[in-house]
Amino acid sequence: DAKTTQPNSMESNEEEPVHLPCNHSTISGTDYIHWYRQLPSQGPEYVIHGLTSNVNNRMASLAIAEDRKSSTLILHRATLRDAAVYYCILRDGDDKIIFGKGTRLHILP
Amino acid sequence: SQTIHQWPATLVQPVGSPLSLECTVEGTSNPNLYWYRQAAGRGLQLLFYSVGIGQISSEVPQNLSASRPQDRQFILSSKKLLLSDSGFYLCAWEEGPDEKLFFGSGTQLSVL
Repeated sequence: DAKTTQPNSMESNEEEPVHLPCNHSTISGTDYIHWYRQLPSQGPEYVIHGLTSNVNNRMASLAIAEDRKSSTLILHRATLRDAAVYYCILRDGDDKIIFGKGTRLHILP
Repeated sequence: SQTIHQWPATLVQPVGSPLSLECTVEGTSNPNLYWYRQAAGRGLQLLFYSVGIGQISSEVPQNLSASRPQDRQFILSSKKLLLSDSGFYLCAWEEGPDEKLFFGSGTQLSVL
């Protein structure tokens, strides 16, 4: 079973920041937090991942709570192309990858 | 660079017919390989994963099977398709634990 909890859907206005939350209260010390997103009719694509420190890349930022029981994916300036399902996943070494239901992000023009 | 090939893109099969979907990865060795299925409007369901040739782990009891005859080849099969086998089938690979997962373009299977 997926070890994370995300809201089913969220809405945001175009060109505004988006904060996508993820709860993972049972996270272990060696679990990495990964985010993927799936555009319509495509396979998921990697977005970002982190362990303890906040992470930034060209796509997004990942803010990880100090106790690591939650994290937030931040899209700094949403565009219509960011409309997708966003998945938060915990990974620990040999674990296979189980996807939850994710958050469906709607971007309003 | 690494690439993943998955075919066919779309497939329409009658109930009771066999199935064979193939996935190959280029530019890497000894990848972990995955098969996922996504029913319409649903999330991703892990079907099989493999950490090496001939090593297959099944996640969900069903009439599907998987094989890994070569290091970079992963095949999903069925002897007799059911209506419930319809969905979007995705192959994925990763170089090792905690690595990024890369997905193929998927096969949309309709069983009629």
